[in-house]
Amino acid sequence: QSVLTQPPSMSGAPGQRVIISCTGRISNIGTGYDVQWYQQLPGTAPKILIYGNNNRPSGVPDRFSGSKSGTSASLAISGLQAEDEAHYYCQTYDNSVRAWVFGGGTKLTVL
Amino acid sequence: QVQLHQWGAGPLKPSETLSLTCAVYGGSFNDYYWTWIRQAPGEGLEWIGEVNRYGGTNYNPSLKNRVTISIDTSENQFSLKLTSVTAADTAVYYCARADPSSYDSSFYSVWGQGTLVTVAS
Repeated sequence: QSVLTQPPSMSGAPGQRVIISCTGRISNIGTGYDVQWYQQLPGTAPKILIYGNNNRPSGVPDRFSGSKSGTSASLAISGLQAEDEAHYYCQTYDNSVRAWVFGGGTKLTVL
Repeated sequence: QVQLHQWGAGPLKPSETLSLTCAVYGGSFNDYYWTWIRQAPGEGLEWIGEVNRYGGTNYNPSLKNRVTISIDTSENQFSLKLTSVTAADTAVYYCARADPSSYDSSFYSVWGQGTLVTVAS
């Protein structure tokens, strides 16, 4: 069971906005460690989507945005497109487990 | 453009040792932590451990007794060994580069292609 909790699945229609949550603890997000977000398409390696809570690497559309508050973080995807159908993972450091940790992942379905 | 290419032997039988190597092409090899991450079939991502250019390592406590990550700076390669494998170690194993997002946080910016390692008797 992951120390970072994500909803197992979410869905949205094309053009809609969805927000994927990542709930942590005092020992990870609550301490102030950055939250990173990854997108994983079927059969491929994860790809960095958001780093440092709210920064997009070059090439990532501005439809993707990240935020963090307290012991939680969120990934917002606006103007949902069919190509956004993927698994999304949050990641940070946990000083109780003493390891880099990932959320359990959220499977996003575009209706 | 940095690329990671990984390889290793498989499939494995229970109690054998998993060995994987990851080669780094392009970019600096010396300025990062180099990482192994795995993903069991249909499951999420699990951080295994990391190594820096000095050979300094950090391991996931859940695997620490069985894991060794080493580095060869002359070949721009780093390797993973996991001993006494069981079926629970069946997963796709990824190598990755850890980039700092702040003084105490990192993200994985470049990934290898992944290697499926199956453990079965």
